[in-house]
Amino acid sequence: GAGVSQSPSNKVTEKGKDVELRCDPISGHTALYWYRQSLGQGLEFLIYFQGNSAPDKSGLPSDRFSAERTGGSVSTLTIQRTQQEDSAVYLCASSIRQGAYEQYFGPGTRLTVT
Amino acid sequence: QQQVKQSPQSLIVQKGGISIINCAYENTAFDYFPWYQQFPGKGPALLIAIRPDVSEKKEGRFTISFNKSAKQFSLHIMDSQPGDSATYFCAASSKTGGGNKLTFGTGTQLKVEL
Repeated sequence: GAGVSQSPSNKVTEKGKDVELRCDPISGHTALYWYRQSLGQGLEFLIYFQGNSAPDKSGLPSDRFSAERTGGSVSTLTIQRTQQEDSAVYLCASSIRQGAYEQYFGPGTRLTVT
Repeated sequence: QQQVKQSPQSLIVQKGGISIINCAYENTAFDYFPWYQQFPGKGPALLIAIRPDVSEKKEGRFTISFNKSAKQFSLHIMDSQPGDSATYFCAASSKTGGGNKLTFGTGTQLKVEL
């Protein structure tokens, strides 16, 4: 079946602009994670959603970052007033249910802030 | 604070040889240890994983060895092939708001030469 999909695959934006990144999890998967992969910080956890429950935002680096998940499926990660240090690959992963260990990653969105 | 240390940073192995990548962790709350394989431009793909109550797990050419007392685990790739050339990440899972947050190592770039 289809895996995790993310869009856009690449995004170039100017410093100070807002961006939205989208994630479609594997059909039927109720748990969704966002991670960031950057040269300086490696792969780091950002946020976790389970169904329609309140998300675990403990990994978000600043209040410029927010995410939502509509209808328990598609998720959008929003970065406001982008900075150059936000340049990274943003990865989405899904798991079949709350508490499941296996996480399946999408191809990522490469964000470049100029 | 880096909670999962991975070595080596890069590795060159001859075709048919054994590739060995090592990881060490500090947090005893980690309860699941996956390895991910990542090709350029792609998201990480789950390769093999182990729970801390098991000392070894083998799947095809890939084996995880786990030493709970030393808080170390390693990936062995037997009969390494050029197609195995990729970046490998170890990770460790901990609970977060009902989900499982992955903490990643810094990655190992493996090159398998003919």
